[in-house]
Amino acid sequence: GQNIDQPTEMTATEGAIVQINCTYQTSGFNGLFWYQQHAGEAPTFLSYNVLDGLEEKGRFSSFLSRSKGYSYLLLKELQMKDSASYLCAVRDQEANTPLVFGKGTRLSVIA
Amino acid sequence: DTEVTQTPKHLVMGMTNKKSLKCEQHMGHRAMYWYKQKAKKPPELMFVYSYEKLSINESVPSRFSPECPNSSLLNLHLHALQPEDSALYLCASSQDQSYYGYTFGSGTRLTVV
Repeated sequence: GQNIDQPTEMTATEGAIVQINCTYQTSGFNGLFWYQQHAGEAPTFLSYNVLDGLEEKGRFSSFLSRSKGYSYLLLKELQMKDSASYLCAVRDQEANTPLVFGKGTRLSVIA
Repeated sequence: DTEVTQTPKHLVMGMTNKKSLKCEQHMGHRAMYWYKQKAKKPPELMFVYSYEKLSINESVPSRFSPECPNSSLLNLHLHALQPEDSALYLCASSQDQSYYGYTFGSGTRLTVV
């Protein structure tokens, strides 16, 4: 089975940096994904990590440590529009296994 | 075209009704998915189609019946639903099941009364 854990809610200030953590326990591993979902809208793909290390994409970066079963999403220069849920999803060892999502972290950005 | 289009956006149906949700993509993706999402919960996988064949059914009740008439279209037929089936139904597609990038549709908000 799979167990994916993220904080339920976080609050951060506009212009600041926030780190959203995700820990996972899976029988295998074939990639970790971060999605952003605004209320009532579809999830949108943010990042993909399959090897250890940091992947940077503009204001968003994602880090993976496979040995620790740990990832984080780093958001810099926060904007009000970044208020959303951030979903961590994992694919276990088989490449054709669909994504399983964590419960998501609801981020509120305040002025 | 880089979108997954779902219709209708909102649907209210009675427990004795029969309705269908539609999902369409023209990106040449060969894997298509149905997810169900309740409020403040993550998306939960229901079905996966790969090359127009059903490859995964996550023990979904038979009142939900998927159909993939061609590589661009995915339907979800609904019959005799329960109020607890009210949720956001999300369709997604990817190049094939191993490709990491899912494109999601904006979903159908279903209310069963």
